[in-house]
Amino acid sequence: KNQVEQSPQSLIILEGKNCTLQCNYTVSPFSNLRWYKQDTGRGPVSLTIMTFSENTKSNGRYTATLDADTKQSSLHITASQLSDSASYICVVGVLNDYKLSFGAGTTVTVRA
Amino acid sequence: GAGVSQSPSNKVTEKGKDVELRCDPISGHTALYWYRQRLGQGLEFLIYFQGNSAPDKSGLPSDRFSAERTGESVSTLTIQRTQQEDSAVYLCASSLMASGAFEQYFGPGTRLTVT
Repeated sequence: KNQVEQSPQSLIILEGKNCTLQCNYTVSPFSNLRWYKQDTGRGPVSLTIMTFSENTKSNGRYTATLDADTKQSSLHITASQLSDSASYICVVGVLNDYKLSFGAGTTVTVRA
Repeated sequence: GAGVSQSPSNKVTEKGKDVELRCDPISGHTALYWYRQRLGQGLEFLIYFQGNSAPDKSGLPSDRFSAERTGESVSTLTIQRTQQEDSAVYLCASSLMASGAFEQYFGPGTRLTVT
């Protein structure tokens, strides 16, 4: 069964600090891995997408890494801002399939 | 152009009533997906439409759930005889084509509460 596990479930950080979110997956055959940001009451918005051959991808203060051998990914948020408060969802795509496997998300709260 | 829109944004209904949720995809997107998001859980795939092909209904949890799509435009998700366990956020997404390689753009969702 294709699964995506995220940790931690939630975290609280002070504005300006960095944090790292983890994602482990068992999806096979692997196609790509995405990180989405979901603000409260909104739909998920894509931050990064990585294929098998990519091991890092940045989008502003967000940097995602991928280790396809260990089936792990991380999302690093640098110099956090209040607007970073959201749920971050790890999503893995299956080769030659339109279905995606979603993690339960990590809720990040940034405090002033 | 406009993104994916959904209506209503919130719906409170009594157990046993039918509800209809609407999704307007991005113009030109041939693929449309419905997902259910329960509190603290990952998105669950419900149903998928691709052009005029037969939809993939493999994710629908029961025969109380159904969905329709007119061509490559609006889609409606209908839940009959709602139950309390149907309470969730229902998200719609569309993509240019039906492949995991293409970005899925999500609507804001409809929060359904069954009392």
